[in-house]
Amino acid sequence: QAQLVESGGGLVQPGRSLRLSCEASGFTFSSYAMHWVRQAPGKGLEWVAFISYDGSRTKYADSVKGRFSISRDRSKNVYLQMSSLRAEDTALYYCVRNRDSKGFDYWGQGTLVTVSS
Amino acid sequence: DIQMTQSPSTLSASVGDRVTITCRASQSINKWLAWYQQKPGKAPELLIYMASNLESGVPSRFSGSGSGTEFTLTISSLQPEDFATYYCQQYGGFYSFGQGTKLEIK
Repeated sequence: QAQLVESGGGLVQPGRSLRLSCEASGFTFSSYAMHWVRQAPGKGLEWVAFISYDGSRTKYADSVKGRFSISRDRSKNVYLQMSSLRAEDTALYYCVRNRDSKGFDYWGQGTLVTVSS
Repeated sequence: DIQMTQSPSTLSASVGDRVTITCRASQSINKWLAWYQQKPGKAPELLIYMASNLESGVPSRFSGSGSGTEFTLTISSLQPEDFATYYCQQYGGFYSFGQGTKLEIK
């Protein structure tokens, strides 16, 4: 059974940086593209970033482009480096597996990021 | 960017009802559309992919249809566990979600 466990969230001041981590297990990590999706408190889902199965391609939402960076290692981890954080980045951040053309089939439970002074 | 618009935003229904949620894309996405269910305090779960394909383990009362810019999610006979928020998502060009439809008990 695939499992994704996020960590690294917390309270951070505006303008500072934070790195989120996601540890994958139960599947061949190197075969799947991965994403980060966020959800502000009481709001809907917002796609944030994508990384291909081999790490060669990345894509970002306009709202985070130039501030966030997604990466992965060869074994089981995907990361989201967040810089120049703003209050509107406050959200629960989900790590998500992308099963080719079949949508986002596994989601972690999320890690909460709160940007506030 | 492709914008996704769901309607209605809120839907009140009773157990046993047949309900339909609509999702419109701002440009054609062929069939690159998924539907997710989210319950309070939980991560979303995949229901439908490629517009009409039922994810493994999802009850057959859920169905999806459409292509191009117009899509629907139908629940044929609502069960108590179906009251949740539903999101459509396009993956035909980057990725984006609809704003969500909250399905409430009437």
